[in-house]
Parts: sequence; structure tokens; C-alpha cells
Amino acid sequence: SQELEQSPQSLIVQEGKNLTINCTSSKTLYGLYWYKQKYGEGLIFLMMLQKGGEEKSHEKITAKLDEKKQQSSLHITASQPSHAGIYLCGADLTGANSKLTFGKGITLSVRP
Amino acid sequence: DTGVSQDPRHKITKRGQNVTFRCDPISEHNRLYWYRQTLGQGPEFLTYFQNEAQLEKSRLLSDRFSAERPKGSFSTLEIQRTEQGDSAMYLCASSSRQELRDTQYFGPGTRLTVL
Repeated sequence: SQELEQSPQSLIVQEGKNLTINCTSSKTLYGLYWYKQKYGEGLIFLMMLQKGGEEKSHEKITAKLDEKKQQSSLHITASQPSHAGIYLCGADLTGANSKLTFGKGITLSVRP
Repeated sequence: DTGVSQDPRHKITKRGQNVTFRCDPISEHNRLYWYRQTLGQGPEFLTYFQNEAQLEKSRLLSDRFSAERPKGSFSTLEIQRTEQGDSAMYLCASSSRQELRDTQYFGPGTRLTVL
């Protein structure tokens, strides 16, 4: 079974709509990272969260880490076609501050 | 500002051949990571270096795989006697310290197809 579960698996939204995607772990998330990937390309770093209850925003994207540090959400406000892609959460599940364990990713499509 | 670079971007090879990939990290980053990603999955950790020392290897890294980082700069990942199951995207990342944690920045990847 996956150590990091992402939901939903895929999402299609109309341009301008808000959306939220989730990343859940059965283990403590010592560091939680959100990345975006275009098909066939590398990962682009979005945000990093490490403290329970932490929230960060960049442009129209907000990421939160829950108090128990086992779940994170990524919220996009007023989605645009440029937001389309695969969103991956990666986490340090050991506290060693080294390798990351990733979820399978969520494919987001934004209809103009 | 140059990011992580990888070469080649694409490699097609026949089963049984050896292949080597190169990764050049962001210049001031002392940690370098290799991951493998197959279709529909997230990246899976293979190995990482701090400077020239290889500090951790995944059990995914069979004895056909070897990675080096001479002089703590660029790194190479070699796969010997390739198998069709080795077909994947090989991603390299390097890291910098942000807020007491390392943040990994990824290269564009090398896509390997084994025929």
C-alpha cells in the first residue's frame, strides 16, 4: 500500500473555479513538499511545510499542514489553464531530512 | 540562474546494453539525489550523496545499478545489462537548506526506453 495517499486521483474543473486536493499519511510528516509536474518533465517545487498547523500561500495556491502533521491540502483559487498538470506530494517520513517518499500524484485539468 | 541539468534527455537502448546518465546539480548544493519514476507513479528514491559520499541506497538499486559523484560535483548513474523493467524516467535532484529542512530541486529527467 502507498505510504502517501493523494486524493482525488484526477480532477477536471472549469476555469475560474476553486479546488482542493489532499495528501494523507499514516506516519508523521516531518517535512511535506508540494511539487507540480508537466507530463514527461521534471518536478517544479511549489511549497514546503514542516510545522503542525502551518499554512503557506504563493500567488493563488495555498498549502496547509494539519495539526497532527499527517495530512496536507493544496487549494487553488480561481483556477487557470496554467494550473493544469500533475500535483505530487512528497514527504520526509523518517525525520532524517533526506530522501522523500512521494504519492502517486493528482492530474488536474482546467477547462477554458 | 542554472537549475539542475540532466543528460541525455532521452535514451533508447536494447536489452542487455549498458547506459550511463549524467546529472549536474545547482552549483552550491552539496546533496544530490536520484529517483526513478514510472508511468502513473510518483518518483521512488534510489540513492543520495552528500558531497562525494554515497550515504543511502534503496533496495530498488540492484547490483546492476551504480552511482558515483566524484569530487562532489556532477553525478553519474550507470545501469548494466539493461532489462525492459528498467524503462522509466530517471530524475536527479539537488538540495539546499531552507528553514532547517532540505528542499530538493529536480532536473528535467532522463527518459530511458529499453527495447
